[in-house]
Amino acid sequence: EIVLTQSPGTLSLSPGERATLSCRASQSVSSSYLAWYQQKPGQAPRLLIYGAASRATGIPDRFSGSGSGTDFTLTISRLEPEDFAVYYCQQYGSSPPWTFGQGTKLEVK
Amino acid sequence: QVQLVESGGGVVQPGGSLRLSCAASGFTFSSYAMHWVRQAPGKGLEWVAFIRYDGSSQYYADSVKGRFTISRDNSKNTLYLQMNSLRAEDTAVYYCANHRCTSISCYSDYWGQGTLVTVSS
Repeated sequence: EIVLTQSPGTLSLSPGERATLSCRASQSVSSSYLAWYQQKPGQAPRLLIYGAASRATGIPDRFSGSGSGTDFTLTISRLEPEDFAVYYCQQYGSSPPWTFGQGTKLEVK
Repeated sequence: QVQLVESGGGVVQPGGSLRLSCAASGFTFSSYAMHWVRQAPGKGLEWVAFIRYDGSSQYYADSVKGRFTISRDNSKNTLYLQMNSLRAEDTAVYYCANHRCTSISCYSDYWGQGTLVTVSS
């Protein structure tokens, strides 16, 4: 089973600042199969990034993904008030289980 | 528009059973593999089960293997999760989500709003 470890657990920033979220895998993950989701309280997860670096439909270009192998990053270039939420990475490898990271909470400083 | 609507959640005693449904509309349900994903109160997301587009294969998380069964009825555009021998640790919001694969990637871009299952005596 591939374990995804996200860091930091909580990130405290102000609107307008840059956010950098990390997702590290216990073994190599094909970049094609790494996704990032945003979840706000009481809501379902929303796809942000797929294939490690491709933005989903309707996602603003302040969100970007990068990385390969075991290290992946989600960057939010300039935080808007609506960006404060919990972010999860997930790997869709060739076989199950398709694991999630434990999440990074992005909170207002 | 695309909709996934879960139902069937509720309060059940330990050892009991429950069947969740996920009604799909606005897209060609029969073309997509599907997942169930759960989230315990205040916790992160946990993948639970997967079924291929035609129901030919199913996969389960170790935590539910042997107790939960995922199935689908493409004629009714509906996904199911039969949950037996329920435990307190199965308490969670259960989401259904699609599994989309393109030439370069796989991901879930359609999610339901979830249904809450509470296992308690």
